[in-house]
Amino acid sequence: AIQMTQSPSSLSASVGDRVTITCRASQGIRNDLGWYQQKPGKAPKLLIHAASSLQSGVPSRFSGTGSGTDFTLTISSLQPEDFATYYCLQDYNYPWTFGQGTKVEIK
Amino acid sequence: EVHLVESGGGVIQPGGSLRLSCAGSGFTFDDYAMHWVRQAPGMGLEWVSLISGDGYITYYADSVKDRFTISRDNNKNSLYLQMSSLRTEDTALYYCAKTKNPTAWYGLDYWGQGTLVTVSS
Repeated sequence: AIQMTQSPSSLSASVGDRVTITCRASQGIRNDLGWYQQKPGKAPKLLIHAASSLQSGVPSRFSGTGSGTDFTLTISSLQPEDFATYYCLQDYNYPWTFGQGTKVEIK
Repeated sequence: EVHLVESGGGVIQPGGSLRLSCAGSGFTFDDYAMHWVRQAPGMGLEWVSLISGDGYITYYADSVKDRFTISRDNNKNSLYLQMSSLRTEDTALYYCAKTKNPTAWYGLDYWGQGTLVTVSS
């Protein structure tokens, strides 16, 4: 199975900060990667699909880049509602695999 | 509006069996592949299984292969996960999720609220 390694596992940031989360695949996965946001007690929410396509209704401060093995989720200006845990998910081949998550906390 | 509602969770002894259900509404159910994803308490997300819209294609995580069976009844707009030989490490909140597109199975754009399975003696 493809291993997905996210970094950092957690970070502290302030409202207005630019935040970057990375995800590395153990083998090339083209651009077959999604990013998900999960708030406590809630189901995950799709933010980005196909590495860089913004899901409908998601604010434009979220963006994704990357292809092959290295991917990035960027929040250009962190808002109070963005404090959550973020996961990458490779959908290149089965079994699909998630990264371990990045918890974004308030500084 | 799309809705997914899971049910069937509960407390079960190791070695036991349980069947989860997921009722879908607000979309043409048989057009979309469906997934199960689970989350152990305090842990990250783990993809479990997929089934195609027509039910003929299935995939599983290595951790559940040969123990879990995914199925669907498109006449009832329902998705199922039959779980057997349950282990304590199967304890988790189980989510069903819908793929974003009928023809490409990437992206899980709608999720249920989950049903909790606790495997304990």
